[in-house]
Amino acid sequence: QLHLQESGPGLVRPSETLSLTCSVSGGSISNDNFYWGWIRQPPGKGLEWIGSIYYSGSTYYNPSLRSRVTISMDTSKNQFSLRLNSVTAADTAVYYCARRARRIDPWGQGTLVTVSS
Amino acid sequence: NFMLTQPHSVSESPGKTVTISCTRSSGSIATDYVQWYQQRPGSSPTTVIYEDNQRPSGVPDRFSGSIDSSSNSASLTISGLKTEDEADYYCQSYDGSNQGVFGGGTKLTVL
Repeated sequence: QLHLQESGPGLVRPSETLSLTCSVSGGSISNDNFYWGWIRQPPGKGLEWIGSIYYSGSTYYNPSLRSRVTISMDTSKNQFSLRLNSVTAADTAVYYCARRARRIDPWGQGTLVTVSS
Repeated sequence: NFMLTQPHSVSESPGKTVTISCTRSSGSIATDYVQWYQQRPGSSPTTVIYEDNQRPSGVPDRFSGSIDSSSNSASLTISGLKTEDEADYYCQSYDGSNQGVFGGGTKLTVL
């Protein structure tokens, strides 16, 4: 059974870079049927698409975040990563990684990242 | 790009049927498939409907999905409501550049 687990700092200073890694077990991220994506959810609010990466390395980013986001993958470790530059308090959210075909499934358990000095 | 608009909240009694709508702001609702996710408090979302009207294994047939081109909307219908259905529900689709688009979410209260 496929399992995804987010990891990374829970606190990031304003203007710095948020970095998260998603470790995938039970399946290979090199599978060409799937994309691997990041979604976030500010406290008490709805879901926001951040972007995704295909097994080939092609990336697709939310236009509203494109200038600050990088998603990459390390097939040797079966992991993919998110970097978000120049963060502000508005970037405080639970960050989820997930596998994406037509549906987004499964999701990781999510990790809360707080942006604060 | 387009937006998906959902009612902020709906409520219904156990045993009844409720329908949650998801209206696409521009472009046809039929352009790309619609998915529905259930999110209980403190948990990650899970799929209850994908590709407009398909149920993943393990999701009861009380959950059904449809699209209506005349209203340019998708709907999630839950029949025989149970208290365990109380959750937030999100619709989701894709734009032409492979970006996911989520609705704002609907809080379902079963009272």
